[in-house]
Amino acid sequence: AQSVTQLDSQVPVFEEAPVELRCNYSSSVSVYLFWYVQYPNQGLQLLLKYLSGSTLVKGINGFEAEFNKSQTSFHLRKPSVHISDTAEYFCAVSRNSGGYQKVTFGIGTKLQVIP
Amino acid sequence: DTGVSQDPRHKITKRGQNVTFRCDPISEHNRLYWYRQTLGQGPEFLTYFQNEAQLEKSRLLSDRFSAERPKGSFSTLEIQRTEQGDSAMYLCASSLAGEILLTEAFFGQGTRLTVV
Repeated sequence: AQSVTQLDSQVPVFEEAPVELRCNYSSSVSVYLFWYVQYPNQGLQLLLKYLSGSTLVKGINGFEAEFNKSQTSFHLRKPSVHISDTAEYFCAVSRNSGGYQKVTFGIGTKLQVIP
Repeated sequence: DTGVSQDPRHKITKRGQNVTFRCDPISEHNRLYWYRQTLGQGPEFLTYFQNEAQLEKSRLLSDRFSAERPKGSFSTLEIQRTEQGDSAMYLCASSLAGEILLTEAFFGQGTRLTVV
């Protein structure tokens, strides 16, 4: 079984301040890790992904995430947020299961950027 | 191609009625997935197709849910005898088959279902 825990349901942050959205996962096998963003009334957009290699992954819109195997974490960071970053962010893990990739999403973290 | 298209965007139906949603994937994508997202939760996988073959459907929530992709292009998701608990956002995504199922999946804007 695999699971994803997003520790914060809502994160308010002032514009131009740094932000970290936390994600922890559990799995008995190797997984792939993703962060998605969802704007109001929109589908999901892939921000970044970790498949293998360097543990620091850079994505779109200035976001980055670091895979920490020992702490089973994949926290998302941005050094300076903008109003347009206000959205809901989902962490997801994926692993091979019976011939297809089983994907599990976290419950999401709502990022509220305050002017 | 403007991406994954879902229709309708919103659907309000009375309990007990049947509803059908449509998803048009990106044209060259051979994989298509359906997810359900309830309020305050992340998306929950329902089923997926490779071309016209439905390769995984064990996650469909009950026998009231069914999905088809008859010609390997668009797909439909049908819910029969809707219940209030079916109220949710239904998301469709598509990708090219590859080693990683979700590597390059693109999501539609979803169909929001409200059962009254």
